[in-house]
Amino acid sequence: DTGVSQDPRHKITKRGQNVTFRCDPISEHNRLYWYRQTLGQGPEFLTYFQNEAQLEKSRLLSDRFSAERPKGSFSTLEIQRTEQGDSAMYLCASSLITDGYTFGSGTRLTVV
Amino acid sequence: QKEVEQNSGPLSVPEGAIASLNCTYSDRGSQSFFWYRQYSGKSPELIMFIYSNGDKEDGRFTAQLNKASQYVSLLIRDSQPSDSATYLCAFLDSNYQLIWGAGTKLIIKP
Repeated sequence: DTGVSQDPRHKITKRGQNVTFRCDPISEHNRLYWYRQTLGQGPEFLTYFQNEAQLEKSRLLSDRFSAERPKGSFSTLEIQRTEQGDSAMYLCASSLITDGYTFGSGTRLTVV
Repeated sequence: QKEVEQNSGPLSVPEGAIASLNCTYSDRGSQSFFWYRQYSGKSPELIMFIYSNGDKEDGRFTAQLNKASQYVSLLIRDSQPSDSATYLCAFLDSNYQLIWGAGTKLIIKP
């Protein structure tokens, strides 16, 4: 296992389009997290899964954002009707419950 | 409101000196504390974790935890230009989720 993988690394999209990102966690990790980060800020929590169950979703997250983790393996994060304010680095991380997180390389989204 | 406070910096340290990064947290129930390093445009990388009061050393890095005063610090000895990065402090809350600080930017001057 080579760590947490995210795809794509970069995405440029026009405002109003839908985008989907994928995350493949470390296989033995049962938790998977999605974060968003903008320049000069710490990671902002979006949502997390324990196995296939989505246990929490940030109240800051609009209903344009949705995440899935079918079968408790990889996860997808979809943003519908993208806005310029969605431009950010989207980070996926995985962990065992009581441990620190291992992050993927992130997906940098630019909405033009 | 669970919070982590860090000085945003930048903290400028001469090469070879000791860099000292500090972090305070609000949740007295916190048990696990983490330091992440983040290079510009890259994702955070875990460099140290500490669970018990006192010091924990790993190579040039020492994490210090004082639960009574609710602070955790990171010391980097013999600072190198490659240590220049943003250092993020975080703790696990009661739901085992990481609560993050905004990070301190460290610059090591050759």
